[in-house]
Amino acid sequence: EIVMTQSPATLSVSPGERATLSCRASQSIRNNLAWYQQKPGQSPRLLIYAASTRATGIPDRFSGSGSGTEFTLIISSLQSEDFALYYCQQYNDWPRYTFGQGTRLEIK
Amino acid sequence: QLLESGGGLVHPGGSLRLSCATSGFTFSNIAMSWFRQAPGKRLEWVSSIGGSADNTYYADSVKGRFTISRDRSQNTLYLQMDSLRAEDTALYHCARVLGGPDVGADSFGYWGQGTLVTVSS
Repeated sequence: EIVMTQSPATLSVSPGERATLSCRASQSIRNNLAWYQQKPGQSPRLLIYAASTRATGIPDRFSGSGSGTEFTLIISSLQSEDFALYYCQQYNDWPRYTFGQGTRLEIK
Repeated sequence: QLLESGGGLVHPGGSLRLSCATSGFTFSNIAMSWFRQAPGKRLEWVSSIGGSADNTYYADSVKGRFTISRDRSQNTLYLQMDSLRAEDTALYHCARVLGGPDVGADSFGYWGQGTLVTVSS
């Protein structure tokens, strides 16, 4: 099983500032990585797929990068609605899709 | 749109059948999956099925106990859960891939809100 590890567990950032979230895979997953946002009581929302492609309707302040084992999600200017839980997910080793443990983005 | 139902409280060893009613896309053209999320734990893949229902896949933790299926006439995905254990307690989500009918290297663009399964005596 490919283990996905996210850091940090919690990130405190002020509105308008930039947030950088990291995700590491235990082995190479090429660019088969997705990022999701989840708010309390809601289902996950796809933000980024193929490591760097924004999903339909996702603002361009969200950007993803990386390949192999190291990936990054950057939110360039945090809005109030961006404070949430973020997960990375690998789909290279399908169907054994695995997720990171999440990064909680909170208001500083 | 994806809408799950069928969750509830069940005793260990019991059974439940989850349903995921879909709309807004051609159901038979899209691979579907079930995921679960236990309190305080990361999302976990449970099972997947291709658009034609020819191929099904299961996590080791549920293999032999859960059965995924789909009904094209009802545009509905199912998860039959037997021999339930306390560790199956979770919020169960159905999700569809972004792409096409094959289970494969694809992300999940659409998710349901989830249905809660609690296994307890």
